[in-house]
Amino acid sequence: KAGVTQTPRYLIKTRGQQVTLSCSPISGHRSVSWYQQTPGQGLQFLFEYFSETQRNKGNFPGRFSGRQFSNSRSEMNVSTLELGDSALYLCASSLTPGHLYGYTFGSGTRLTVV
Amino acid sequence: TQLLEQSPQFLSIQEGENLTVYCNSSSVFSSLQWYRQEPGEGPVLLVTVVTGGEVKKLKRLTFQFGDARKDSSLHITAAQPGDTGLYLCAGLVTTDSWGKLQFGAGTQVVVTP
Repeated sequence: KAGVTQTPRYLIKTRGQQVTLSCSPISGHRSVSWYQQTPGQGLQFLFEYFSETQRNKGNFPGRFSGRQFSNSRSEMNVSTLELGDSALYLCASSLTPGHLYGYTFGSGTRLTVV
Repeated sequence: TQLLEQSPQFLSIQEGENLTVYCNSSSVFSSLQWYRQEPGEGPVLLVTVVTGGEVKKLKRLTFQFGDARKDSSLHITAAQPGDTGLYLCAGLVTTDSWGKLQFGAGTQVVVTP
């Protein structure tokens, strides 16, 4: 079966712009989580969606937002980009939030803010 | 502050040697998962351990979950260059109907021929 698909793979944006990243989960998976990964901070949890509702949220500013559609696809948006937002953004899908047996990750979107 | 502490942060060994990575916490987990991540890619799930004291083997990789379900270890026997990668442990904390996955900072493993 198809894995988790994230688009685009690479993105270069300018400070102050906004960006939207997309994630299509594995068919049948209804939960989508987003993580930010940087060399200094490791994997930081952004938010998790299930049945179009945000179930959990990490400690990120309000510039980071997300949503989930009825087909379980999810998008995350970052407004007013800052240089520190440069990171690998990872999406993971699972059957349910905090699924006991693990998550499947996409290959990520590499965002560079200049 | 990391809920899960991984050690060591970095490990460089020669092909054929053994290595162990540790994942420790003061919290009890419903399950603990190990992932391996290669540069530019997302983490890939290696194994999930659920029962305290559980031991799982995946070819040359042995995973153990502590009796109290607060810690875990990953042991690789006769490491090969293909084992190179960032190893991440993640603990599932169940606080309500749904759980929340917490990741450790990772252990970078480099195996040289």
